[in-house]
Parts: sequence; structure tokens; C-alpha cells
Amino acid sequence: DVKVTQSSRYLVKRTGEKVFLECVQDMDHENMFWYRQDPGLGLRLIYFSYDVKMKEKGDIPEGYSVSREKKERFSLILESASTNQTSMYLCASSYRAVTNEKLFFGSGTQLSVL
Amino acid sequence: AQKITQTQPGMFVQEKEAVTLDCTYDTSDPSYGLFWYKQPSSGEMIFLIYQGSYDQQNATEGRYSLNFQKARKSANLVISASQLGDSAMYFCAMRGPIIQGAQKLVFGQGTRLTINP
Repeated sequence: DVKVTQSSRYLVKRTGEKVFLECVQDMDHENMFWYRQDPGLGLRLIYFSYDVKMKEKGDIPEGYSVSREKKERFSLILESASTNQTSMYLCASSYRAVTNEKLFFGSGTQLSVL
Repeated sequence: AQKITQTQPGMFVQEKEAVTLDCTYDTSDPSYGLFWYKQPSSGEMIFLIYQGSYDQQNATEGRYSLNFQKARKSANLVISASQLGDSAMYFCAMRGPIIQGAQKLVFGQGTRLTINP
């Protein structure tokens, strides 16, 4: 089975801290994604990567950056955490898509910024 | 731009009844795909079913079927003979542009389904 592992299930951080969310997949997927999930808003794409060291902005990239130094690992970075970044963060991965390629998701990291 | 709308924030259904979760979409692309995902309380998103815009028949996967009405731009999920384990959040999503082999999914707001015994 495909496994997408997020390093923490719950995180509590202070405003202004630098925060790293880590994601690892074990299926040699080319693509990796970071979404945030908020009640009433569904999932919104922050950043994605289609290859090592390659990244593309999603729909809400402001306040975030990403890093993909190895194919299996995709990190989301909050340079200076703010309270409006309190959210559930979901990592996903997939094979290179032609017409349809489903995403495999991790269990999420619930981040609270105080 | 693609948009997905799920108008039912919550639904309550008796066990063994069929349930329909609504999803409408908007896109100007002639080629698109629609997904349904289930999110139980554990948090992990589970893929349920996929429908391509050019597929002639409605997609089915076990107890799940997708009622695809292209002219109405709707892609409702039908769960037959609901079970207690079906209680979860359900998300409809649309495939957006494929960039360098990576397809962006645009998600709806979600519907929380509760199955009562």
C-alpha cells in the first residue's frame, strides 16, 4: 500500500516561530502536494512539486515556502507563523498524470499557532 | 477557473438507506475529471471514485456510484445501503490543469455524513 507519512499529527507553535512540516512518501511518486483544510472552505492548494527541486505555487502560497531535496520528501515551511495559519495541513502524492491520477494523502497535521 | 460547490454541510441518514451527496461544478475546459474522497475522523483522505468528462457511462465502485449529469454540471455521489462506517466527511474535487505532469485538484467545501443506527 502507498504510504504518505506526515511527521506530526498535532503541533503547537508560537507566533513568529519558523515551522517545518515534513512529508515522506514511499511509492516513488513524482508529484507531491501541500493542502490546507479549513471548515467551510474545503482543501486549498498551497504548493506542489513535480520533481526534485522543482516547485509551483498553488492557490494560497502567501506566507509559505517549500523544499524538495529528495524525491520522497516534501517540506512545508512557515517562515514566521501567524495565527491565521492555524489549520489542518494535508500532504499528498501521485504519479505523473496523463489524464487522471488519484492523489494519496497523509493523515494530516493539525497546527495551532498561539 | 474551476469551481466546486457542495451545498450540504451535513446530512443524517438511517443505516441501510441510500444517500446522495450533491456536487456541482463549473469549468470552461472541455476535458476535466471529477473525484470523490472520504475523510474519516482519522484525517486521511480516501479516494472513492473518479469520472472523466468524456466517459460515456457513470462510474461505479462497489457501493459507490457517481450520478454524472454533464448538462447540469453535477456529479453527485450515491452510496447504496449505507453503513455506520460510512460516517465521515466527503469531498468532491475537480481536476484542474496538468502542469508538468502534476494535476491540481480543486475541492468543494465538503459534506459531513452521519449514519444513524
